[in-house]
Amino acid sequence: SQQGEEDPQALSIQEGENATMNCSYKTSINNLQWYRQNSGRGLVHLILIRSNEREKHSGRLRVTLDTSKKSSSLLITASRAADTASYFCATDDGQGAQKLVFGQGTRLTINP
Amino acid sequence: GAVVSQHPSRVICKSGTSVKIECRSLDFQATTMFWYRQFPKQSLMLMATSNEGSKATYEQGVEKDKFLINHASLTLSTLTVTSAHPEDSSFYICSAPTSGGTYNEQFFGPGTRLTVL
Repeated sequence: SQQGEEDPQALSIQEGENATMNCSYKTSINNLQWYRQNSGRGLVHLILIRSNEREKHSGRLRVTLDTSKKSSSLLITASRAADTASYFCATDDGQGAQKLVFGQGTRLTINP
Repeated sequence: GAVVSQHPSRVICKSGTSVKIECRSLDFQATTMFWYRQFPKQSLMLMATSNEGSKATYEQGVEKDKFLINHASLTLSTLTVTSAHPEDSSFYICSAPTSGGTYNEQFFGPGTRLTVL
């Protein structure tokens, strides 16, 4: 079953603008991850944030986590056409199992 | 990062046939692998957990007799879709974690697109 709800489901912005995607989840977690998927391809791991962290940066990516609200956000700054992809958040089940539960995803389109 | 491969990348078969998909960890050992299914424009749904040396664990609603999983070695898991039907057409993706504990980074294969005619 799907744990996460992501919004927006689709986002279209101009190149150079910032893109923000949000993810909510239902159960307690140990960590939350963000993945990118280009059309018809496998997933690429972007960033992992642990439950005791509030913010994490990696290049043009900024991830926040609010465990009290059970939500996370992914910010991509200075977007590029190559950032066009679907973005998914994924959480563990909080009980030590390694399997991941994915959100519904956000389809991001960067217009040149 | 670690590499996970899948074979084949694309398969088209007739209804009623069985299709085997392989998932390999190329540069690390994986006692556990995961199989996901993804329908067009939807998210990944976990189907089952493949365990080396023991039976797979299936998620609720996934038919174990239809989706046979064999974790033959520490680097290979196979998913066999038996008696495939058009509704089984989907994108199948495997993943493998590289470490245990609470750090749960997983590496995903490139996926296999199955089309059942």
